[in-house]
Amino acid sequence: GENVEQHPSTLSVQEGDSAVIKCTYSDSASNYFPWYKQELGKRPQLIIDIRSNVGEKKDQRIAVTLNKTAKHFSLHITETQPEDSAVYFCAASKGGSQGNLIFGKGTKLSVKP
Amino acid sequence: NAGVMQNPRHLVRRRGQEARLRCSPMKGHSHVYWYRQLPEEGLKFMVYLQKENIIDESGMPKERFSAEFPKEGPSILRIQQVVRGDSAAYFCASAPGESYGYTFGSGTRLTVV
Repeated sequence: GENVEQHPSTLSVQEGDSAVIKCTYSDSASNYFPWYKQELGKRPQLIIDIRSNVGEKKDQRIAVTLNKTAKHFSLHITETQPEDSAVYFCAASKGGSQGNLIFGKGTKLSVKP
Repeated sequence: NAGVMQNPRHLVRRRGQEARLRCSPMKGHSHVYWYRQLPEEGLKFMVYLQKENIIDESGMPKERFSAEFPKEGPSILRIQQVVRGDSAAYFCASAPGESYGYTFGSGTRLTVV
Protein backbone atom coordinates (compact mmCIF):
# COMPACT_ATOMS: atom_id res chain seq x y z
CA GLY A 1 0.00 0.00 0.00
CA GLU A 2 0.93 3.66 0.04
CA ASN A 3 3.81 4.53 2.30
CA VAL A 4 5.78 7.54 3.55
CA GLU A 5 9.33 7.04 4.79
CA GLN A 6 10.90 9.72 6.96
CA HIS A 7 14.57 10.17 7.92
CA PRO A 8 16.28 10.61 10.25
CA SER A 9 14.22 9.41 13.21
CA THR A 10 16.27 11.60 15.57
CA LEU A 11 18.30 14.72 14.85
CA SER A 12 20.39 16.77 17.22
CA VAL A 13 21.82 20.15 16.18
CA GLN A 14 23.44 23.12 17.85
CA GLU A 15 21.47 26.32 18.15
CA GLY A 16 21.95 28.39 15.02
CA ASP A 17 22.70 25.41 12.77
CA SER A 18 20.37 24.17 10.04
CA ALA A 19 18.24 21.02 10.23
CA VAL A 20 17.05 18.96 7.27
CA ILE A 21 14.42 16.23 7.39
CA LYS A 22 13.70 14.09 4.33
CA CYS A 23 10.66 12.10 3.26
CA THR A 24 9.90 9.81 0.36
CA TYR A 25 6.47 8.69 -0.74
CA SER A 26 5.21 5.85 -2.91
CA ASP A 27 1.88 7.09 -4.33
CA SER A 28 2.61 8.90 -7.59
CA ALA A 29 -0.86 10.49 -7.42
CA SER A 30 -0.07 12.31 -4.15
CA ASN A 31 -0.36 16.05 -4.69
CA TYR A 32 -0.36 17.62 -1.22
CA PHE A 33 2.52 17.47 1.27
CA PRO A 34 2.14 19.10 4.71
CA TRP A 35 4.58 19.18 7.61
CA TYR A 36 3.47 19.12 11.23
CA LYS A 37 5.28 19.97 14.44
CA GLN A 38 4.24 18.17 17.62
CA GLU A 39 5.54 19.10 21.05
CA LEU A 40 5.39 16.51 23.80
CA GLY A 41 1.81 15.80 24.83
CA LYS A 42 0.37 18.39 22.47
CA ARG A 43 -1.49 18.44 19.20
CA PRO A 44 0.24 18.37 15.81
CA GLN A 45 0.44 21.86 14.30
CA LEU A 46 0.71 22.58 10.60
CA ILE A 47 3.90 24.54 9.96
CA ILE A 48 4.13 24.52 6.18
CA ASP A 49 2.65 22.67 3.22
CA ILE A 50 3.35 22.36 -0.47
CA ARG A 51 1.32 21.24 -3.45
CA SER A 52 2.58 19.27 -6.40
CA ASN A 53 2.57 22.20 -8.81
CA VAL A 54 5.25 23.97 -6.76
CA GLY A 55 8.88 22.92 -6.28
CA GLU A 56 9.75 25.03 -3.25
CA LYS A 57 8.04 27.11 -0.61
CA LYS A 58 9.52 29.27 2.13
CA ASP A 59 8.14 30.84 5.28
CA GLN A 60 10.73 32.74 7.32
CA ARG A 61 13.19 30.14 8.69
CA ILE A 62 11.29 27.17 7.28
CA ALA A 63 11.37 25.91 3.70
CA VAL A 64 10.09 22.82 1.96
CA THR A 65 11.29 21.40 -1.35
CA LEU A 66 9.51 18.84 -3.50
CA ASN A 67 10.92 16.60 -6.23
CA LYS A 68 7.93 14.87 -7.85
CA THR A 69 10.06 12.83 -10.22
CA ALA A 70 12.03 11.28 -7.39
CA LYS A 71 9.00 11.30 -5.07
CA HIS A 72 10.75 12.99 -2.21
CA PHE A 73 10.32 16.18 -0.24
CA SER A 74 12.35 17.84 2.48
CA LEU A 75 11.94 20.27 5.36
CA HIS A 76 14.71 22.78 5.98
CA ILE A 77 14.92 24.80 9.18
CA THR A 78 17.61 27.48 9.29
CA GLU A 79 19.03 29.29 12.32
CA THR A 80 17.52 26.73 14.66
CA GLN A 81 16.40 27.77 18.15
CA PRO A 82 15.74 25.66 21.27
CA GLU A 83 11.99 26.21 20.81
CA ASP A 84 12.24 24.35 17.50
CA SER A 85 12.79 21.17 19.52
CA ALA A 86 9.84 18.86 18.84
CA VAL A 87 8.80 15.89 16.73
CA TYR A 88 8.24 16.76 13.08
CA PHE A 89 5.97 14.72 10.83
CA CYS A 90 5.78 14.79 7.07
CA ALA A 91 2.66 13.59 5.25
CA ALA A 92 1.49 12.93 1.72
CA SER A 93 -2.06 12.86 0.45
CA LYS A 94 -3.42 9.51 -0.60
CA GLY A 95 -4.02 10.07 -4.27
CA GLY A 96 -5.41 13.42 -5.25
CA SER A 97 -7.51 13.83 -2.14
CA GLN A 98 -6.35 15.75 0.93
CA GLY A 99 -8.98 13.88 2.89
CA ASN A 100 -6.61 11.04 3.71
CA LEU A 101 -3.05 11.85 4.69
CA ILE A 102 -0.33 9.24 5.09
CA PHE A 103 2.12 10.29 7.78
CA GLY A 104 5.77 9.47 8.25
CA LYS A 105 6.89 8.12 11.62
CA GLY A 106 8.36 11.40 12.73
CA THR A 107 11.74 12.99 13.43
CA LYS A 108 12.61 14.03 16.96
CA LEU A 109 14.59 17.26 16.63
CA SER A 110 16.67 18.45 19.57
CA VAL A 111 18.26 21.90 19.38
CA LYS A 112 20.99 22.35 21.96
CA PRO A 113 21.65 25.84 23.26
CA ASN B 1 -12.39 31.01 17.51
CA ALA B 2 -11.91 28.22 20.03
CA GLY B 3 -10.15 25.88 17.64
CA VAL B 4 -10.92 22.19 17.32
CA MET B 5 -12.32 20.98 20.64
CA GLN B 6 -11.97 17.39 21.71
CA ASN B 7 -13.30 15.82 24.87
CA PRO B 8 -12.58 14.20 27.08
CA ARG B 9 -8.81 14.83 27.12
CA HIS B 10 -8.24 11.59 29.00
CA LEU B 11 -10.50 8.55 29.08
CA VAL B 12 -9.99 5.33 31.01
CA ARG B 13 -12.11 2.33 30.16
CA ARG B 14 -12.11 -1.27 31.29
CA ARG B 15 -11.88 -3.99 28.69
CA GLY B 16 -15.29 -4.63 27.15
CA GLN B 17 -16.67 -1.14 27.83
CA GLU B 18 -17.56 1.44 25.24
CA ALA B 19 -15.53 4.58 24.54
CA ARG B 20 -17.11 7.67 23.06
CA LEU B 21 -14.82 10.44 21.81
CA ARG B 22 -16.19 13.82 20.79
CA CYS B 23 -14.89 16.41 18.38
CA SER B 24 -16.28 19.87 17.68
CA PRO B 25 -14.67 21.34 14.55
CA MET B 26 -13.63 24.93 14.17
CA LYS B 27 -16.41 27.33 13.28
CA GLY B 28 -17.02 27.23 9.55
CA HIS B 29 -15.28 23.87 9.08
CA SER B 30 -17.43 21.16 7.57
CA HIS B 31 -14.74 18.50 7.07
CA VAL B 32 -13.68 16.32 9.99
CA TYR B 33 -10.91 13.74 10.15
CA TRP B 34 -9.99 11.21 12.84
CA TYR B 35 -6.46 9.88 13.33
CA ARG B 36 -4.94 7.47 15.86
CA GLN B 37 -1.44 7.85 17.26
CA LEU B 38 0.44 5.17 19.15
CA PRO B 39 3.43 6.14 21.34
CA GLU B 40 6.53 6.97 19.28
CA GLU B 41 4.51 6.54 16.08
CA GLY B 42 3.06 8.76 13.39
CA LEU B 43 -0.62 9.40 12.91
CA LYS B 44 -2.75 6.78 11.20
CA PHE B 45 -5.78 7.87 9.21
CA MET B 46 -9.07 6.41 10.38
CA VAL B 47 -12.01 8.24 8.82
CA TYR B 48 -13.00 11.40 6.93
CA LEU B 49 -16.49 12.82 7.37
CA GLN B 50 -18.55 15.72 6.21
CA LYS B 51 -21.87 16.66 7.77
CA GLU B 52 -24.05 13.52 7.82
CA ASN B 53 -21.74 11.69 5.40
CA ILE B 54 -18.78 9.34 5.70
CA ILE B 55 -16.46 10.18 2.82
CA ASP B 56 -13.60 7.75 3.47
CA GLU B 57 -13.49 5.13 6.22
CA SER B 58 -10.68 3.05 4.75
CA GLY B 59 -8.62 3.36 7.95
CA MET B 60 -11.34 2.23 10.32
CA PRO B 61 -11.20 -1.31 11.72
CA LYS B 62 -14.16 -3.26 10.34
CA GLU B 63 -15.49 -4.19 13.74
CA ARG B 64 -16.18 -2.27 16.96
CA PHE B 65 -15.33 1.17 15.51
CA SER B 66 -17.82 3.65 14.11
CA ALA B 67 -17.92 7.38 13.45
CA GLU B 68 -20.58 9.95 12.75
CA PHE B 69 -20.85 13.68 12.13
CA PRO B 70 -24.52 14.61 12.54
CA LYS B 71 -26.20 17.70 11.18
CA GLU B 72 -26.19 19.17 14.67
CA GLY B 73 -23.56 18.55 17.30
CA PRO B 74 -20.04 17.19 17.41
CA SER B 75 -18.48 14.34 15.52
CA ILE B 76 -18.37 11.13 17.56
CA LEU B 77 -15.85 8.30 17.32
CA ARG B 78 -17.28 5.26 19.07
CA ILE B 79 -15.31 2.18 20.07
CA GLN B 80 -17.34 -0.73 21.37
CA GLN B 81 -15.99 -3.51 23.57
CA VAL B 82 -12.59 -1.87 23.95
CA VAL B 83 -9.44 -3.98 24.17
CA ARG B 84 -5.96 -3.08 25.46
CA GLY B 85 -4.74 -2.56 21.89
CA ASP B 86 -7.17 0.35 21.50
CA SER B 87 -5.11 2.39 23.97
CA ALA B 88 -3.77 5.36 22.00
CA ALA B 89 -4.17 9.07 21.42
CA TYR B 90 -7.06 9.84 19.09
CA PHE B 91 -6.81 13.15 17.25
CA CYS B 92 -9.56 14.89 15.39
CA ALA B 93 -8.84 17.54 12.76
CA SER B 94 -11.07 19.86 10.78
CA ALA B 95 -10.82 21.94 7.62
CA PRO B 96 -13.12 24.30 5.73
CA GLY B 97 -12.80 22.22 2.59
CA GLU B 98 -10.81 19.48 1.02
CA SER B 99 -8.14 21.72 -0.43
CA TYR B 100 -7.16 23.21 2.91
CA GLY B 101 -4.71 22.08 5.57
CA TYR B 102 -6.01 20.49 8.74
CA THR B 103 -6.22 22.00 12.19
CA PHE B 104 -5.87 19.33 14.84
CA GLY B 105 -7.53 19.20 18.22
CA SER B 106 -5.62 18.41 21.41
CA GLY B 107 -6.55 14.74 21.28
CA THR B 108 -8.20 12.21 23.57
CA ARG B 109 -5.84 9.82 25.29
CA LEU B 110 -7.66 6.53 25.73
CA THR B 111 -6.33 4.00 28.22
CA VAL B 112 -7.89 0.58 28.40
CA VAL B 113 -7.23 -1.27 31.66
